[in-house]
Amino acid sequence: GNSVTQMEGPVTLSEEAFLTINCTYTATGYPSPFWYVQYPGEGLQLLLKATKADDKGSNKGFEATYRKETTSFHLEKGSVQVSDSAVYFCALTGVIGGTSYGKLTFGQGTILTVHP
Amino acid sequence: DAGVTQSPTHLIKTRGQQVTLRCSPKSGHDTVSWYQQALGQGPQFIFQYYEEEERQRGNFPDRFSGHQFPNYSSELNVNALLLGDSALYLCASSLATGVGETQYFGPGTRLLVL
Repeated sequence: GNSVTQMEGPVTLSEEAFLTINCTYTATGYPSPFWYVQYPGEGLQLLLKATKADDKGSNKGFEATYRKETTSFHLEKGSVQVSDSAVYFCALTGVIGGTSYGKLTFGQGTILTVHP
Repeated sequence: DAGVTQSPTHLIKTRGQQVTLRCSPKSGHDTVSWYQQALGQGPQFIFQYYEEEERQRGNFPDRFSGHQFPNYSSELNVNALLLGDSALYLCASSLATGVGETQYFGPGTRLLVL
């Protein structure tokens, strides 16, 4: 089955610093990668996604490019804010055995804390 | 337009008891998936329902069962609760159109088993 490996955290940055959270995966078939964010005490919110190789997803200043050759979907932001403090999850759906049901496989999450 | 809603928000049970969690999908969505998120971990897929049938299941025992109703809402039932079932249970809804379809999550039900 699919598996997702995320950069281990926690990550602590100062406001306006550059952020990278690495995500690599193993999958069969044709995976679609996602980044979800979880703010304290809340459920998961979609941050961005990609549907085919070399697609770049972007939202709220965050970006990630789907690289099939390196099986990666690293998350980046040029200038983080205190309000970006949250847990970030890389996730993957895909085709397994010719069947596509959209099951999401998640990484373990990366805690980001941004200080003023 | 209401998003995914779940009830109850919190629940406390004792070992051996049974619990039912409820989920209403986002308007227009026909597929509901359930996930278990233990503290400090990523969500783990339990199962997915479409057209009132379970069409994919993760590595969870038969104590975990579900149901989808004609209005697409869903229930998750857990029997013979164990301490290890304590977690945040997340429901997600989507359209059954393909692999890249986004799943929208509810706020979750936090279950504590004592």
